[in-house]
Amino acid sequence: NAGVTQTPKFRILKIGQSMTLQCAQDMNHNYMYWYRQDPGMGLKLIYYSVGAGITDKGEVPNGYNVSRSTTEYFPLRLELAAPSQTSVYFCASSLTSGRLQQETQYFGPGTRLLVL
Amino acid sequence: AQSVAQPEDQVNVAEGNPLTVKCTYSVSGNPYLFWYVQYPNRGLQFLLKYITGDNLVKGSYGFEAEFNKSQTSFHLKKPSALVSDSALYFCAVSDNAGNMLTFGGGTRLMVKP
Repeated sequence: NAGVTQTPKFRILKIGQSMTLQCAQDMNHNYMYWYRQDPGMGLKLIYYSVGAGITDKGEVPNGYNVSRSTTEYFPLRLELAAPSQTSVYFCASSLTSGRLQQETQYFGPGTRLLVL
Repeated sequence: AQSVAQPEDQVNVAEGNPLTVKCTYSVSGNPYLFWYVQYPNRGLQFLLKYITGDNLVKGSYGFEAEFNKSQTSFHLKKPSALVSDSALYFCAVSDNAGNMLTFGGGTRLMVKP
């Protein structure tokens, strides 16, 4: 299993540009998550999904959109990039049949985004 | 609201010595506690978790953590540190109502030969 994969590894955007961060998992996990990690800070949840076709906001959803058409993929969309979105973005997944946060989350390697 | 505090930005320890990385938490219900490690330019890797049961939890790479309900702490420990343990360590918590996982700010562990 490749686990959780993310592309691209690094991207530079100009203010106002848009892009999609890709995330895929091959573990047949039902839950998937997007986090951002700012320097010296912990991870903050942007959006999450409990299954195909179902998504919900996390702690910091403004400026982002997600979709989950299949179990495997969970792309994160930035419509109008802003300098405040400069961060490292991590996708994660978990196999959760019961309570949401008791199950271990498995993380991708991250996407480093710089908005200038 | 739930929160996690990791009071030390960095912990320095000599190889072979015991190490402790501190974590305290605040949740409204019973806590579910996790430790993750992050190596440079990598994603977070799961180390261990406490859900219920024995207060001493054993995890990967010889790490263990002790849950202390009265002190609301979940400190990460290892009896003998290795240089390869040098990394960024994150504590995380959620409550039993299915709320989101909340991460601490991270502690950088430096193990010197």
